[in-house]
Amino acid sequence: DTGVSQNPRHKITKRGQNVTFRCDPISEHNRLYWYRQTLGQGPEFLTYFQNEAQLEKSRLLSDRFSAERPKGSFSTLEIQRTEQGDSAMYLCASSHPRTGGFYEQYFGPGTRLTVT
Amino acid sequence: AQTVTQSQPEMSVQEAETVTLSCTYDTSESDYYLFWYKQPPSRQMILVIRQEAYKQQNATENRFSVNFQKAAKSFSLKISDSQLGDAAMYFCAYRSYRYNNNDMRFGAGTRLTVKP
Repeated sequence: DTGVSQNPRHKITKRGQNVTFRCDPISEHNRLYWYRQTLGQGPEFLTYFQNEAQLEKSRLLSDRFSAERPKGSFSTLEIQRTEQGDSAMYLCASSHPRTGGFYEQYFGPGTRLTVT
Repeated sequence: AQTVTQSQPEMSVQEAETVTLSCTYDTSESDYYLFWYKQPPSRQMILVIRQEAYKQQNATENRFSVNFQKAAKSFSLKISDSQLGDAAMYFCAYRSYRYNNNDMRFGAGTRLTVKP
């Protein structure tokens, strides 16, 4: 296994269009996270899954955003009616519980979204 | 709410020298994790080092070490014998110890340049 993968790596879309990103976590990692990173800032938490259940969502995740992890493996993040403010790097990470409950997150390369 | 502050947007170091990156955080919790992540240009974020707040001993990973001052809420990263490959954005991050809290808070980052 080579790590967390994300597709596409880059996406350019026009305002108002819908986009969908995919994340494939490391095999057997039961937790999957989505973050957004804007230029010059650190990643901001959006949501996370444990297996197929979406357990937590940030206030940053507006109604236009939806995330799924249908079989507890890969996940998709969809943005409807994109706005220019959605332009950012969208990062995915995965983790697996270790002894003591510590979850080390492994990040993917990200999908860079540009909304024109 | 927890916040993480990195007051140095940019730092530079001469190859083979030592550099320290600063991080402060604000929290009312007593148990938590702190991390330093490295994000090389156009590459994915990787974990450099982590510290559990209940541990008094500062974490060390090869050339990387931290100075964890819990009372001062300070968590600095020291890189010894700097190498050209250390050039990257470095992010300090905080995560609650609570089992179901996966909201990782990141600082804005410090861009480290290594001069040959």
